[in-house]
Amino acid sequence: DGGITQSPKYLFRKEGQNVTLSCEQNLNHDAMYWYRQDPGQGLRLIYYSQIVNDFQKGDIAEGYSVSREKKESFPLTVTSAQKNPTAFYLCASRRTVSNQPQHFGDGTRLSIL
Amino acid sequence: GENVEQHPSTLSVQEGDSAVIKCTYSDSASNYFPWYKQELGKRPQLIIDIRSNVGEKKDQRIAVTLNKTAKHFSLHITETQPEDSAVYFCAASIGGTGTASKLTFGTGTRLQVTL
Repeated sequence: DGGITQSPKYLFRKEGQNVTLSCEQNLNHDAMYWYRQDPGQGLRLIYYSQIVNDFQKGDIAEGYSVSREKKESFPLTVTSAQKNPTAFYLCASRRTVSNQPQHFGDGTRLSIL
Repeated sequence: GENVEQHPSTLSVQEGDSAVIKCTYSDSASNYFPWYKQELGKRPQLIIDIRSNVGEKKDQRIAVTLNKTAKHFSLHITETQPEDSAVYFCAASIGGTGTASKLTFGTGTRLQVTL
């Protein structure tokens, strides 16, 4: 899955600070996703986007925001409203042809300072 | 919405034995079921998937079975090796061309293969 690049690998947030996680893909995939993974738990969907300039909330969107200005890019902002942001964040993408698998980036580990 | 339950949460087997992980889903419209393997601190990687028009799929030591009537699907790993040790996630989605098709994940099974 070298076609999905997440940066940075590690990120530290101070109280009251917004931080932005980058996700870029060169797979020409239409759909992109952001997940949050807490230790010992599964993946929970934060936001997803099917096409440029359109995105939908997932199961845990509160305290997060996204944009999709380019097909290749789907950045996630963790706002100060997210009181417990410490987690492993995974970006994924897929073709929107029926039943194609999602491919994941290497993730960003976010911690509170 | 879709709900996926996965069991067991941990599984320890001896090298060479088989391992079975089971998942159930709630939405009968779900038609795509991938399995992912995640090693510690790394990305989930797709290991096998099955679509609702088939009941079983094999890829070397890995197989997946699907029972649409009972709404459950299982991952079978034969002749386990130490490198199979990881966390395995099942997932389900309602797929369709042109849709973003959300995946709902199970909570994961930590498989440990002991020597």
